[in-house]
Amino acid sequence: DTGVSQDPRHKITKRGQNVTFRCDPISEHNRLYWYRQTLGQGPEFLTYFQNEAQLEKSRLLSDRFSAERPKGSFSTLEIQRTEQGDSAMYLCASSLVGEMKTQYFGPGTRLLVL
Amino acid sequence: AQKVTQAQTEISVVEKEDVTLDCVYETRDTTYYLFWYKQPPSGELVFLIRRNSFDEQNEISGRYSWNFQKSTSSFNFTITASQVVDSAVYFCALSATTSGTYKYIFGTGTRLKVLA
Repeated sequence: DTGVSQDPRHKITKRGQNVTFRCDPISEHNRLYWYRQTLGQGPEFLTYFQNEAQLEKSRLLSDRFSAERPKGSFSTLEIQRTEQGDSAMYLCASSLVGEMKTQYFGPGTRLLVL
Repeated sequence: AQKVTQAQTEISVVEKEDVTLDCVYETRDTTYYLFWYKQPPSGELVFLIRRNSFDEQNEISGRYSWNFQKSTSSFNFTITASQVVDSAVYFCALSATTSGTYKYIFGTGTRLKVLA
């Protein structure tokens, strides 16, 4: 069974541009989470999907951020009009309902906004 | 409010020394889960262990052991006979059941450096 995959692994963009990240969870995992991690900090929760439904969004997720999970499989996280403060590692995790709530993380997408 | 505190920002040890990483948590939930993850330089968070709030039994897995004490709200992690490959950032995380999302609240991490 393959783990959680994320694409791209690295992204450099200019301020004001839009970026989109993709996450492919472990197959059969119906829960999917996005976190953001800045340098020297622990990951912070952004949003959560159960199947295709987005059930919770953090206050960290401003209007410039949008996430989708069509068909309850892969998920995308889009940031519009990027700002330098968006520079961070974006982590995706998935879990299986009933499996002790353990989340398995992908390798992350490191975003640098110039 | 839920919170995880990892007071040790960075620890350096010499190979083969034992080292304990501290984790203190806060939650009002009676049912919750605690986790430890390892983050090597590659960035991926690697799951190490989970504990639920009703299971205070300590656990040992090879050179790793965990001490869960509800009385002090602590979930400490000990590496015995540390190795250079143990060098990484280690995160403690709390997942409470209130919201139903089981999202994680992470501590700020402890960077462990094991010197040869």
